[in-house]
Parts: sequence; structure tokens; C-alpha cells
Amino acid sequence: GAVVSQHPSRVICKSGTSVKIECRSLDFQATTMFWYRQFPKKSLMLMATSNEGSKATYEQGVEKDKFLINHASLTLSTLTVTSAHPEDSSFYICSAWGRNTGNTIYFGEGSWLTVV
Amino acid sequence: SQKIEQNSEALNIQEGKTATLTCNYTNYSPAYLQWYRQDPGRGPVFLLLIRENEKEKRKERLKVTFDTTLKQSLFHITASQPADSATYLCALGGGANNLFFGTGTRLTVIP
Repeated sequence: GAVVSQHPSRVICKSGTSVKIECRSLDFQATTMFWYRQFPKKSLMLMATSNEGSKATYEQGVEKDKFLINHASLTLSTLTVTSAHPEDSSFYICSAWGRNTGNTIYFGEGSWLTVV
Repeated sequence: SQKIEQNSEALNIQEGKTATLTCNYTNYSPAYLQWYRQDPGRGPVFLLLIRENEKEKRKERLKVTFDTTLKQSLFHITASQPADSATYLCALGGGANNLFFGTGTRLTVIP
């Protein structure tokens, strides 16, 4: 299957700082990328959908100024958590779809964010 | 709004038996239904996709059925092994459209 890579896998940052998480499609062009947040023992919660070259579409309740999403190329999307607070600590997962993946959406390995 | 329920939060079975997981949905007519495996602290891994016009799909020890009349999918793991222990997620949708995830079933295969 197609490969989606996230970096970093784990990050600790101080409260008030910003942190960037990268999501790369390694062997296909990702027309659409999705960002999720997952709390322990809960299902994935969609935060936003981004199409290459367009502004991201955010789900209701997700602050777009706090969670900045950029999808400037067909292989890279970034999520920047700005002015992070401890309540932003979570598991963030990206997924990607491209015309060559059929209808399957492939997921990254996830990134653990801890804000101290 | 769409609602996707997986039959139980946790399922324990004996090694060698067949595990059957259920996914029921309402208020949705998906063209595709997908099953993913998720291990603790990792992202979901794609297992199988079944289309609305397909009744059954198989891959090695895995079998998925899709009944659009009942609005239900069944996911079977035959000859289960301890290594199959994980959380299994069903998801509706696909392609350029977002996936709507079920609540997940945590499967434990007991040696």
C-alpha cells in the first residue's frame, strides 16, 4: 500500500510556544490530506480537510487560527499548533488520498504532542 | 447526523477461533466501507475496502461483508492469533471525501 509518514512521532513543547507536525506522502501525490485528533481510547476526530493549493476546511469547533494547516505541495501538509496549551496535548494523525490510491485513504503513524 | 456503531467496545476470543466484529450505520449511504487496524499509539492501518455493490471481500484470513439493506458490515478474522489483538475500526466513505469512523472494537486473542 501507499506510505504516509509523519514527523515528529513525539514532541514535547512548552506552553505558549508553537509546534509544527509534518505529513508526507512518500510514494504518491496526495491531492487531499486530512488531520485528525485522537484522545485515549476514543475514535478519530476530524479536525480539517486540505486540498493541495487551497485553504483547509475546518470542522465545527476547531479553531483555524490555532491549528494552522498548510498543504502547499502534493506530498506535504503541515499542522502547526500555535500558542500551545496543556489541553492541546493529544495524538494527532494525518491521512492522505490521491488519485492513484483508488478510494483508499492511508494514514500516517501519528504524532504525540505533550505541552508542559 | 451519521451514526456508526461497532457492536462492542471489547471482544475477547480464544486463539484459533473466528472473531466477528460488527459495524452498523444509520443516516448514510456510503459508496465504500473500509476496515482499519489500530495498535496502541499508532495510526490506523488499512485492511480492506468493500464497495456498495460488493457483498463480500476476502484477504488472507480476513473477510468483510457489506449489506446495504441492513446497513451493516461484518468483519471476520479466521484462525485468530494473539498478534491479531488490536483495535479495529470501520469507516464509511473514502476517496477525496472524509472517512467517518466507528467507535472501534478492541479485540484480544487469548493464547
